[in-house]
Amino acid sequence: GESVGLHLPTLSVQEGDNSIINCAYSNSASDYFIWYKQESGKGPQFIIDIRSNMDKRQGQRVTVLLNKTVKHLSLQIAATQPGDSAVYFCAENERGAQKLVFGQGTRLTINP
Amino acid sequence: DADVTQTPRNRITKTGKRIMLECSQTKGHDRMYWYRQDPGLGLQLIYYSFDVKDINKGEISDGYSVSRQAQAKFSLSLESAIPNQTALYFCATSDYSSTDTQYFGPGTRLTVL
Repeated sequence: GESVGLHLPTLSVQEGDNSIINCAYSNSASDYFIWYKQESGKGPQFIIDIRSNMDKRQGQRVTVLLNKTVKHLSLQIAATQPGDSAVYFCAENERGAQKLVFGQGTRLTINP
Repeated sequence: DADVTQTPRNRITKTGKRIMLECSQTKGHDRMYWYRQDPGLGLQLIYYSFDVKDINKGEISDGYSVSRQAQAKFSLSLESAIPNQTALYFCATSDYSSTDTQYFGPGTRLTVL
């Protein structure tokens, strides 16, 4: 079946650098996408979302880019900080399906 | 998120025991979900409920049952626990009147010996 997946299971960046976490999805009927952050021992926390009628959305230090042509989603974190260390999940919602499908996750580690 | 609470936070049990995990929310959301997370993996949907009278199976419902006692309460039961049900369990809520973004509880770590 169609599912959401991530290109890389782990990503290491230097503190202060920008981080880019990627996500590929295969369901062309998906119209809503979310990025979640999960810190150790905690539940996933909403970061930012984007609808399929947009290709970019910005939040505080985070930007989500959506490329529907190649079915690719990315999360950019500016000036990465130690507190950004976590596992990041993308999730998609198919129009009418009314439930989210989560990717496997990418672990982001910050090097001092 | 303090608006979604789960009890217990940790539980160790033995094979064959019946276990109930409880979820409560104060967000006023109609929709509630139960997910399972295995180490290093993403979230798999067990059951979901769009209102008090609605229950739907998710991807991995075998071996689990749920009860939606009220808008704010959604419990997950393992009728006869087995070791491969050892995992993290998360409850989530959403409000479809907005964006259907799901908000998660802190999780329950269940170990079945």
